[in-house]
Amino acid sequence: GQNIDQPTEMTATEGAIVQINCTYQTSGFNGLFWYQQHAGEAPTFLSYNVLDGLEEKGRFSSFLSRSKGYSYLLLKELQMKDSASYLCAVNPGNTGKLIFGQGTTLQVKP
Amino acid sequence: DADVTQTPRNRITKTGKRIMLECSQTKGHDRMYWYRQDPGLGLRLIYYSFDVKDINKGEISDGYSVSRQAQAKFSLSLESAIPNQTALYFCATSDPGQGASNQPQHFGDGTRLSIL
Repeated sequence: GQNIDQPTEMTATEGAIVQINCTYQTSGFNGLFWYQQHAGEAPTFLSYNVLDGLEEKGRFSSFLSRSKGYSYLLLKELQMKDSASYLCAVNPGNTGKLIFGQGTTLQVKP
Repeated sequence: DADVTQTPRNRITKTGKRIMLECSQTKGHDRMYWYRQDPGLGLRLIYYSFDVKDINKGEISDGYSVSRQAQAKFSLSLESAIPNQTALYFCATSDPGQGASNQPQHFGDGTRLSIL
């Protein structure tokens, strides 16, 4: 079967650092995506990992360990506007189809 | 203008009615997808199309049908709506041109559908 797990909710303080974890068990692996989704809005693409290691993009970084079936999204210098849901998605094959986790709702407090 | 446009944005209807949700895109992407999103369940794939002549079922296609009228248009129909189809529906596109695996999907703003 295909399974992607993320924590349902997290809370962090403005200016702090937060790490959102994602574990996956899929029939194959051809890349992992992170999306941000503000309430009532469309998901927007944040990052893509296919090789092990860290990808940094401004305040956001994403890490992948294929042997552990594990990824995390790291958000630094948190801002109030970072309050959103963060979706982890895996491409299990050589197509554009994605399997999404249920998402992690992050609340940033002053 | 949005690259991926969904209409309507909101719809309230009654059980048993036929409903069509429309999606159009100006990105020139071949691949289009329909998802539904429910609280606690994330995004689930209903149907997807890799070109005009290619339609495939996703994980939850029962009760839904689709039509790919052109590269830019992909419609989702509920033939006889039922209350448990109340959800937020998203259309998405992606570009296979440079290798499908690393191309992100681009989402429309969603259609909030309520079936009474």
